[in-house]
Amino acid sequence: AQRVTQPEKLLSVFKGAPVELKCNYSYSGSPELFWYVQYSRQRLQLLLRHISRESIKGFTADLNKGETSFHLKKPFAQEEDSAMYYCALSIGGTSYGKLTFGQGTILTVHP
Amino acid sequence: NAGVMQNPRHLVRRRGQEARLRCSPMKGHSHVYWYRQLPEEGLKFMVYLQKENIIDESGMPKERFSAEFPKEGPSILRIQQVVRGDSAAYFCASSRSTGDGYTFGSGTRLTVV
Repeated sequence: AQRVTQPEKLLSVFKGAPVELKCNYSYSGSPELFWYVQYSRQRLQLLLRHISRESIKGFTADLNKGETSFHLKKPFAQEEDSAMYYCALSIGGTSYGKLTFGQGTILTVHP
Repeated sequence: NAGVMQNPRHLVRRRGQEARLRCSPMKGHSHVYWYRQLPEEGLKFMVYLQKENIIDESGMPKERFSAEFPKEGPSILRIQQVVRGDSAAYFCASSRSTGDGYTFGSGTRLTVV
C-alpha cells in the first residue's frame, strides 16, 4: 500500500530564511504528488502539484523518484507562510482521485 | 460559487445516537470524497462517490458507517450508534474529474460525549 511520510511535525524558521518541508513516499508505480496548505481558520487548499511544475507563492517542489521524495522549498520564508502543510499522493487506476496524506507539518515563521 | 459547503460545522452527539454529516460539492463537480482526521493524525481517506454511485469505499469502517450521494441534494455521511472513537474532523472534498485537484470544505467537527 502507498504511504506518505512527513518526518517533521513542527518546523520553525525566521523570516527571510530558507525553508524546506520534507515529504517521502512509498509506492512502486508512478504516483502524482501534491502539497496542500491550511492557513489558520481557513480550509485546506491545494498549493501545488508536481505535474504542473509551477511555483506558487514562491514555493517549489521537485519529484525525486530515485529518493522517492517531494520536498517543498522556499528560498525566503515570510510570516504569512505560517500554516499547516500536507503532502499527498494519488495513484492511478480505479483509485485515481483518492489521496493518501502525510501527517502534516506545522510551519511557523518568526519575525 | 460558494465552494464546498459542509454542515453542520460542529456536531455533538451522545454515545449511541446517529450522526449525519452533509456535503454540497462545488457547482459542476460530480466527484465527492470524504476524509477523517483523528486527533494528532493526518487525513485518512474514507470514501469516494459520484452521483448515485460509490466508487471506492475502502477506507470506510465495515460497520455503522455509510455514505451516499443522491441524484439530487448533498452527499451524506451517516454514522450510526456513535462511539467516543468517532470523535474527529470529517472533511469533504469535490472535484470536476479524477484528474483535477480537490476543493475542500471547512469540515464538520464531531464530538461524541
